[in-house]
Amino acid sequence: SQTIHQWPATLVQPVGSPLSLECTVEGTSNPNLYWYRQAAGRGLQLLFYSVGIGQISSEVPQNLSASRPQDRQFILSSKKLLLSDSGFYLCAWSVLAGGAGELFFGEGSRLTVL
Amino acid sequence: QKEVEQDPGPLSVPEGAIVSLNCTYSNSAFQYFMWYRQYSRKGPELLMYTYSSGNKEDGRFTAQVDKSSKYISLFIRDSQPSDSATYLCAMSGTYKYIFGTGTRLKVLA
Repeated sequence: SQTIHQWPATLVQPVGSPLSLECTVEGTSNPNLYWYRQAAGRGLQLLFYSVGIGQISSEVPQNLSASRPQDRQFILSSKKLLLSDSGFYLCAWSVLAGGAGELFFGEGSRLTVL
Repeated sequence: QKEVEQDPGPLSVPEGAIVSLNCTYSNSAFQYFMWYRQYSRKGPELLMYTYSSGNKEDGRFTAQVDKSSKYISLFIRDSQPSDSATYLCAMSGTYKYIFGTGTRLKVLA
């Protein structure tokens, strides 16, 4: 069966520090991968999605970036964190292209920027 | 106008009640509809997935889609305290999945 892992689960970082969140999917090949951010009282905001290795689409201009160095690995990064980057970051995957299939989430990474 | 509207609640019901959760949407291109359950500080868990108008049942859960009215519902029968969570509706029709803001449900023992 397919599983998705995210780490770290919790992170407290000072303003201006770098960030690296990792996501790995097991049990499937060539998944579509997504990074979402969930802020309190707000919906899930799509940050990045990827349909293949090295293919990244950005939805929201910001100081975050994403990379997909391997088929089932998705990384969210920042060179310098802002206070506004605090939130709950969720990695997700789907099999079918074009938003046609089920979307499955990881357990999330909670980031607090102080 | 938001693409998806969902009442944030909170919704409190007694154990054993039938719960009705709803979302409306504006984009007729949406073809796929999902309901997620999210416990506090956890990732959303997919409960129901459907791509056609009508009803889909899975255990105590029934998802209902009315494309003509752009309205989807999730019914929970015989609700349990363990059903206390935030429920998110989601829909897609292009590469993007669009989510409601979630409804907080509390089932009282």
